[in-house]
Amino acid sequence: GQNIDQPTEMTATEGAIVQINCTYQTSGFNGLFWYQQHAGEAPTFLSYNVLDGLEEKGRFSSFLSRSKGYSYLLLKELQMKDSASYLCAVSLPPPGAGSYQLTFGKGTKLSVIP
Amino acid sequence: DGGITQSPKYLFRKEGQNVTLSCEQNLNHDAMYWYRQDPGQGLRLIYYSQIVNDFQKGDIAEGYSVSREKKESFPLTVTSAQKNPTAFYLCASSTTSGVDTQYFGPGTRLTVL
Repeated sequence: GQNIDQPTEMTATEGAIVQINCTYQTSGFNGLFWYQQHAGEAPTFLSYNVLDGLEEKGRFSSFLSRSKGYSYLLLKELQMKDSASYLCAVSLPPPGAGSYQLTFGKGTKLSVIP
Repeated sequence: DGGITQSPKYLFRKEGQNVTLSCEQNLNHDAMYWYRQDPGQGLRLIYYSQIVNDFQKGDIAEGYSVSREKKESFPLTVTSAQKNPTAFYLCASSTTSGVDTQYFGPGTRLTVL
């Protein structure tokens, strides 16, 4: 199957740390992406994981466990501008002919409050 | 400045009319994609193209058509056969298909009246 699950909404306080989880039930997995999307705008790339472990980029980190079908995005020192939707996307083989494609979760809407 | 452009940002059409959404990139990417986004839903793949003069159906291709005559351009036509065309349409591109980071254009919000 291609279920990609993320929480629908989360709320966190400015300056705090928040972890957004993503689980996937797939075969032929070839990498996981995280995107940020502000309301009415295009998604922007945050991170890519293909091997197990933690990738750190400034205030944002992303973790992957291939054996558990699990990833999380960690946001530190939250700022008001981090209020956005966070999309988890998994690279998967096509059902028939074609090439690997991204399958997106429904996104997690994060609200940062003062 | 390299990037992906989509035009227009907002588009209104009457029911029963075909409409074409523009997508242009100057990133020299081989692969291009069209997604549809509805409230509360993830991005769903409509069509993708790995190379000029070739394209493949995505998960929700019915009622849509595309062409890829030039590397830089991948227009999407929403036909009158599409039952619920009102949505936010996003175009993306990547170096190669499926395994590389996709970069998105600003999107076109289509409203069918």
